[in-house]
Amino acid sequence: QQQVKQSPQSLIVQKGGIPIINCAYENTAFDYFPWYQQFPGKGPALLIAIRPDVSEKKEGRFTISFNKSAKQFSLHIMDSQPGDSATYFCAASRKRGSSNTGKLIFGQGTTLQVKP
Amino acid sequence: KAGVTQTPRYLIKTRGQQVTLSCSPISGHRSVSWYQQTPGQGLQFLFEYFSETQRNKGNFPGRFSGRQFSNSRSEMNVSTLELGDSALYLCASSPVGRGPVTDTQYFGPGTRLTVL
Repeated sequence: QQQVKQSPQSLIVQKGGIPIINCAYENTAFDYFPWYQQFPGKGPALLIAIRPDVSEKKEGRFTISFNKSAKQFSLHIMDSQPGDSATYFCAASRKRGSSNTGKLIFGQGTTLQVKP
Repeated sequence: KAGVTQTPRYLIKTRGQQVTLSCSPISGHRSVSWYQQTPGQGLQFLFEYFSETQRNKGNFPGRFSGRQFSNSRSEMNVSTLELGDSALYLCASSPVGRGPVTDTQYFGPGTRLTVL
């Protein structure tokens, strides 16, 4: 119940394409869903995050779609660029104040390659 | 503001030794979480500290421990190192208690530990 399942494991798109990465969760106590981007040799960097009370959130070229009933959320990268080539992680956590405070549960990651 | 800093960035140890890793959170952040990242297991939560108290712990053996100081800086210690402890150890800080956005975690660059 603590897992977050992420797919696909890897993704190759052409420049300008819209890669979509999907995540699914089981624990309905999760109420915070961030996406992180990680380049080789670096720590994960927060891209965008969403809570279950909204179905979509956009920040620049990054959009999260959230389906509470299906317990799924996805990341869309509009007009992808070669510089977006990185590993992307979805995550989930329970509301602060619960017994699992400060604990992010991560998906397994998606390696994205954007070809020029 | 300076980001999360971790020292050292790289470390090589041999089996049976112990190691201490250090993390300085973003100024004003009082919550520090630690994660282990490996190719096989992905990103896994180790523990979280807030106001010098461990509030949450992941499923790791007792060889993994940590502490937090009054200035919010944190250290983690791994005793009796095993080959499987080779990983990237990431520290993340969070502005808990400061404003509505308290779940966001900002990661440092990590410490790459190699156990020979």
